Amino acid sequence: GQQLNQSPQSMFIQEGEDVSMNCTSSSIFNTWLWYKQDPGEGPVLLIALYKAGELTSNGRLTAQFGITRKDSFLNISASIPSDVGIYFCAGQLAPYPGNTPLVFGKGTRLSVIA
Amino acid sequence: DVKVTQSSRYLVKRTGEKVFLECVQDMDHENMFWYRQDPGLGLRLIYFSYDVKMKEKGDIPEGYSVSREKKERFSLILESASTNQTSMYLCASSFPSSRGIYEQYFGPGTRLTVT
Repeated sequence: GQQLNQSPQSMFIQEGEDVSMNCTSSSIFNTWLWYKQDPGEGPVLLIALYKAGELTSNGRLTAQFGITRKDSFLNISASIPSDVGIYFCAGQLAPYPGNTPLVFGKGTRLSVIA
Repeated sequence: DVKVTQSSRYLVKRTGEKVFLECVQDMDHENMFWYRQDPGLGLRLIYFSYDVKMKEKGDIPEGYSVSREKKERFSLILESASTNQTSMYLCASSFPSSRGIYEQYFGPGTRLTVT
């Protein structure tokens, strides 16, 4: 199956730093979603993006749907220890119906050093 | 809040056993999914279902089957468990949000060990 290119694979940052991660594809997407997975838990939906150029925030998190519809980024500002986890991007591939399975990136593992 | 529950958080089974993993969602979602997650491989789709008694193969269906007899319940079956099926199994369901786009929600996962 198709996968998204998510980078970086892992990050080690100091508490208080800002974080940026992104996903790219050669295909066009109708929707981008960002998830966070805590150790031993299922992924939790953080932000959903519905149209090209959309910029959405959720607390310290900001995500954008790229204008070309082939990429998305997630920023975390002023990181804290509880931001530790794996962040996944996922997309709904155009032109398929909205209920077809999402395509997932392989995740960015974030570690925060206090 | 959307709630997706999985029958077990941890499971240990022997090679050759038949294993049932149960998933229940309480929001009347039409679509349900089973994934496995392994280090370095990300999430891989095993099977999904658009409605009761419907099922579709995902990317890695070999060695698995599914059952959806009721809308809220989607079961993953390992007919004869093998050690290479040791993994984290994640169930998900999806529905169209108020903006008409399908948002997918995950259960807490079942960590299965086959010895």
